[in-house]
Amino acid sequence: ETGVTQTPRHLVMGMTNKKSLKCEQHLGHNAMYWYKQSAKKPLELMFVYNFKEQTENNSVPSRFSPECPNSSHLFLHLHTLQPEDSALYLCASSQVGLAGGIPYEQYFGPGTRLTVT
Amino acid sequence: SQKIEQNSEALNIQEGKTATLTCNYTNYSPAYLQWYRQDPGRGPVFLLLIRENEKEKRKERLKVTFDTTLKQSLFHITASQPADSATYLCALPNSWGKLQFGAGTQVVVTP
Repeated sequence: ETGVTQTPRHLVMGMTNKKSLKCEQHLGHNAMYWYKQSAKKPLELMFVYNFKEQTENNSVPSRFSPECPNSSHLFLHLHTLQPEDSALYLCASSQVGLAGGIPYEQYFGPGTRLTVT
Repeated sequence: SQKIEQNSEALNIQEGKTATLTCNYTNYSPAYLQWYRQDPGRGPVFLLLIRENEKEKRKERLKVTFDTTLKQSLFHITASQPADSATYLCALPNSWGKLQFGAGTQVVVTP
């Protein structure tokens, strides 16, 4: 489970706060992902980074801002969040081929439990 | 877009029995399908991948089948143990090649 780490594990923030979630992968993968998981709902893919370049933004509100300074680190900057943003935020990494094809499995971190008050 | 359906009701099963979970999808058949296990408050953990040309895949007490005609995958846990209690997610690529997850089915194995 130490392959992908996330900090903090729990976060409570007010609607006017600014905070950041951090993810680090120690697996040598070239792709990283942010997911949102709300109770009883499927994981929602938020952002994808391949080789440090953002390749997908699933219509995520601008109050969520990702940053990928290198292939091992991923951040999610949060500001002026809403109570409905309370959820478990999961980071994952995987290896992807340059020419696409069947991707390898994804490795997830333990998640950050976010509560917006 | 692809719609993935997993039974939302928890599956309660007695230790030693076989648990069978279903994953149905509605649109195009994917090139592969993955199964993950998720424990409360933790991230999903990859279990198995099955490709469209494979009918069945096994790993220890786990077995996965893939029927592209029925648009369905079955996930079996044989000789279930209380430690198998968790939520099991199926995942398959959407039309853009990105992994899409089902909501998962909770399995509860009682001694």
